[in-house]
Amino acid sequence: KAGVTQTPRYLIKTRGQQVTLSCSPISGHRSVSWYQQTPGQGLQFLFEYFSETQRNKGNFPGRFSGRQFSNSRSEMNVSTLELGDSALYLCASSRPRVGANVLTFGAGSRLTVL
Amino acid sequence: DQQVKQNSPSLSVQEGRISILNCDYTNSMFDYFLWYKKYPAEGPTFLISISSIKDKNEDGRFTVFLNKSAKHLSLHIVPSQPGDSAVYFCAASEGGETSGSRLTFGEGTQLTVNP
Repeated sequence: KAGVTQTPRYLIKTRGQQVTLSCSPISGHRSVSWYQQTPGQGLQFLFEYFSETQRNKGNFPGRFSGRQFSNSRSEMNVSTLELGDSALYLCASSRPRVGANVLTFGAGSRLTVL
Repeated sequence: DQQVKQNSPSLSVQEGRISILNCDYTNSMFDYFLWYKKYPAEGPTFLISISSIKDKNEDGRFTVFLNKSAKHLSLHIVPSQPGDSAVYFCAASEGGETSGSRLTFGEGTQLTVNP
């Protein structure tokens, strides 16, 4: 079965611009979460969507936002880009269950901000 | 404040030997712990998990040990193979259906298995 698909895989933006990243989860997975990975840091949780509602949010500024559509596909948006936003953005999908969800990650979207 | 820490950025072992990757945490509310493996240009893939009510979980060559009193867990890979060379992330969750996708990750350990 198809995995988690993220587009675009690579993109370059300049400071002040905005960017939208897309994620298609595994069929049947209704939870989609987003993580940011920067050099020297582990993955940091951005937010999670379930049934089109944001269920959890990490400690990121309001410039980072997301949404989920009725088909469970999700997008995240970063406005007014800063150099520090350069990172690998990972999307993961899962079936919610008791205990920790086993997340299936996509390959990520690598954003470079110049 | 890093709630999950992997103090070794890298580890090198010989093929066939044991690899031991370590992880420490500070948040007593963490209920589940997971290990993920990441190859370059790929997303992390799930390896093994353990609930806080257990102290050991085994899956083939991979075993995770949890010491709650020390807030420490480790991943043992026996025997190590060159294909195991990857970055390994330790992650923790407070569990529950609504927070189960909110994982707190360590910084990762680059494992290199030499033939």
